Amino acid sequence: DAGVTQSPTHLIKTRGQQVTLRCSPKSGHDTVSWYQQALGQGPQFIFQYYEEEERQRGNFPDRFSGHQFPNYSSELNVNALLLGDSALYLCASSFWGAYEQYFGPGTRLTVT
Amino acid sequence: AQSVTQLDSHVSVSEGTPVLLRCNYSSSYSPSLFWYVQHPNKGLQLLLKYTSAATLVKGINGFEAEFKKSETSFHLTKPSAHMSDAAEYFCVVSTPTGGTSYGKLTFGQGTILTVHP
Repeated sequence: DAGVTQSPTHLIKTRGQQVTLRCSPKSGHDTVSWYQQALGQGPQFIFQYYEEEERQRGNFPDRFSGHQFPNYSSELNVNALLLGDSALYLCASSFWGAYEQYFGPGTRLTVT
Repeated sequence: AQSVTQLDSHVSVSEGTPVLLRCNYSSSYSPSLFWYVQHPNKGLQLLLKYTSAATLVKGINGFEAEFKKSETSFHLTKPSAHMSDAAEYFCVVSTPTGGTSYGKLTFGQGTILTVHP
């Protein structure tokens, strides 16, 4: 049974560029959440998707957007990258309404 | 609104001695509380969870946590530390959104546990 998978593992981008990160949820899960973990800090909630709709959103600008596909996988898009967007981006999956979330290994984004 | 405060950014113990990682929370509703562990260059692993059942919660690898509503605390303990316990630990709170969904996890700043031989 595959857990949560994310791609790519690492990514280097230049300021002003756009990036897309991908996530496949744990088998059977229908809800995907995205988190940003800056160096030395705890993860911060970006948004959550269920039934292909954004259900909750944290305090992140509109440059951060997402999508969920019919197979429950998800993408995180970040436009107009800033140096401060450099972080580990974590995807978590769960059943809708469930308490606990299962995390993937993350994508390390470096913006130069 | 919900928030989590981890009272120690670093904890250092000797192998075989007890571990105590402290966490206080704030929540407008009855919260669910979790402890996650993150080993270097690894993802987050769920250690244990409290979801309004028994206040003393047992998790994996010998860890326990006790929910104390009067103190708004959820401290993590282990009777005897092992070298493999060295990692960063996060206390996490989640509360219902609109009474229907536990969606957003709010993380503390993390506690780095060092275990000396």
